[in-house]
Amino acid sequence: AQKVTQAQTEISVVEKEDVTLDCVYETRDTTYYLFWYKQPPSGELVFLIRRNSFDEQNEISGRYSWNFQKSTSSFNFTITASQVVDSAVYFCALIANRDDKIIFGKGTRLHILP
Amino acid sequence: DSGVTQTPKHLITATGQRVTLRCSPRSGDLSVYWYQQSLDQGLQFLIQYYNGEERAKGNILERFSAQQFPDLHSELNLSSLELGDSALYFCASSVAGTPPMNTEAFFGQGTRLTVV
Repeated sequence: AQKVTQAQTEISVVEKEDVTLDCVYETRDTTYYLFWYKQPPSGELVFLIRRNSFDEQNEISGRYSWNFQKSTSSFNFTITASQVVDSAVYFCALIANRDDKIIFGKGTRLHILP
Repeated sequence: DSGVTQTPKHLITATGQRVTLRCSPRSGDLSVYWYQQSLDQGLQFLIQYYNGEERAKGNILERFSAQQFPDLHSELNLSSLELGDSALYFCASSVAGTPPMNTEAFFGQGTRLTVV
């Protein structure tokens, strides 16, 4: 069975601090895809990144970076120099090769305090 | 703008009623997924359609049903509504329904259903 665990339910940091959101996944498939989505207070889900299981290269996009480690089944997301606009719920998600449905973690609510 | 359109954005209805939520996927996307997001359950997968056929079923109640039409838009029907059905319902679409899988799902803005 596939499972995504986001152990941090809620995090609060002061603006300009760095923050890392943890994601641990479980799957028996060797081919799978991992995602991060952002849900701002307005409610919509915004796609941030997709990573396939064969690509362990870390990725950086502006203030965002992702650390994928198959050895620990983790796909962590770091926001550098956080801003108030980063306040949102962040979801980690998984699609495994055998199954086309997206499995979401319960989300981490991030508060960036001014 | 993700390209996925959901209507209506908000819906308020009474217990026992029936509602229909509509989703138009991105142009070219064959898969449509429905998700329910509630405060206590997080994001729950309900059902997936691929090119008109039901592809996968998640935690969908028997009071709920869905279909995907030939033009690929989808409707989620919720009947005998209960207070606990109040939630944000998301539709997502993606290109693929079968491997190889190199897709991300694009989400609509959601329909907020309030049952009173």
